[in-house]
Amino acid sequence: AQSVSQHNHHVILSEAASLELGCNYSYGGTVNLFWYVQYPGQHLQLLLKYFSGDPLVKGIKGFEAEFIKSKFSFNLRKPSVQWSDTAEYFCAVNGNSGGGADGLTFGKGTHLIIQP
Amino acid sequence: GAVVSQHPSWVICKSGTSVKIECRSLDFQATTMFWYRQFPKQSLMLMATSNEGSKATYEQGVEKDKFLINHASLTLSTLTVTSAHPEDSSFYICSARGRKGQSSTEAFFGQGTRLTVV
Repeated sequence: AQSVSQHNHHVILSEAASLELGCNYSYGGTVNLFWYVQYPGQHLQLLLKYFSGDPLVKGIKGFEAEFIKSKFSFNLRKPSVQWSDTAEYFCAVNGNSGGGADGLTFGKGTHLIIQP
Repeated sequence: GAVVSQHPSWVICKSGTSVKIECRSLDFQATTMFWYRQFPKQSLMLMATSNEGSKATYEQGVEKDKFLINHASLTLSTLTVTSAHPEDSSFYICSARGRKGQSSTEAFFGQGTRLTVV
């Protein structure tokens, strides 16, 4: 069975600080990896995804993530956060055989608060 | 990106009644829709996957007779919580995947429905 572990449930940073949110997964085969963001009162939005190829993936709003297969990790990074990055962040995974949009297994989420 | 809309956004119902939640893809044809449930401070848990015109596939531990899913058209799926009880109170989220373009490689999420059973 698939599982996703997000290391930090709550993170508080000051504006302009660098961000790294940890994500590790457990799955027996080839995976697709995702990071979603949920701003207060809004839908889940896709930040970035990894299917194959370059393990360093760039997403929207200046976010990037690196897939390290040997560590089963897909950590999310941003060099300089803004107050508007305050949100809930979810790491998710599904099996590669079904393409990029089959049912996802989510981590518990990380609540990020950026202090001005 | 493609837009998925859920209705209602929140609902309160009495114990023993049934509640229907709608999930619509507004600007693409959704060949597959997914229903998730999220408990407070927990992750989203996949409940079931439905393909247009066929029966839904439920995840282990999800009661198919309690959570009825219908995906009768390419733009609408419904989740009916039958004989609701307080323990069914939760946040229910749908997502949809299309057959062409961006919507075929990415699932788009609705805004969720907060169900409270009293």
